[in-house]
Amino acid sequence: AQRVTQPEKLLSVFKGAPVELKCNYSYSGSPELFWYVQYSRQRLQLLLRHISRESIKGFTADLNKGETSFHLKKPFAQEEDSAMYYCALRGYSGGSNYKLTFGKGTLLTVNP
Amino acid sequence: DTEVTQTPKHLVMGMTNKKSLKCEQHMGHRAMYWYKQKAKKPPELMFVYSYEKLSINESVPSRFSPECPNSSLLNLHLHALQPEDSALYLCASSVATPGNSPLHFGNGTRLTVT
Repeated sequence: AQRVTQPEKLLSVFKGAPVELKCNYSYSGSPELFWYVQYSRQRLQLLLRHISRESIKGFTADLNKGETSFHLKKPFAQEEDSAMYYCALRGYSGGSNYKLTFGKGTLLTVNP
Repeated sequence: DTEVTQTPKHLVMGMTNKKSLKCEQHMGHRAMYWYKQKAKKPPELMFVYSYEKLSINESVPSRFSPECPNSSLLNLHLHALQPEDSALYLCASSVATPGNSPLHFGNGTRLTVT
């Protein structure tokens, strides 16, 4: 079974402050991990994937297999970062099937 | 074209109606998905098609009937729905083989069952 836990339902920070959105996972194999973002009235879109080790819009996320975590970080939050953030795990589901499971999401609000 | 297009954007239907949701992509993706998203909740997987064959059905009630007529199209046929089926229905596509391939989502169809 695969599970994704985002412990914070809501996170509020001030502009310019560092932000960290937590994500922990449970999966017996080698996971594929993603962060998706959903801005107000926009489609769900990919923000980051762990294998790319890239920085998008100033966000980074590092996979820590020892702690089974994939936390999303940004050193200086901007108001336009306000959105719902979902951590997701793509895991093997039997046969030739893989499925993407989402955490419950964290609503980030960046205040001016 | 790097988009997943869903039609209609909004749909209101009665409990005795039959309607269909449509999804289209031209990225050459051979895996397509239906997700259901209730307000302030994460998307929940309903169906996965891989190479036009149904590969995952997450115990979805039979009043939802998926169809993948070709590699670019995915339909969701709706019949005798209940008010609690009101939600945002999301279509997504991806490369069929794993290897860190992300899902690309459409804007969704907002369904209201009256």
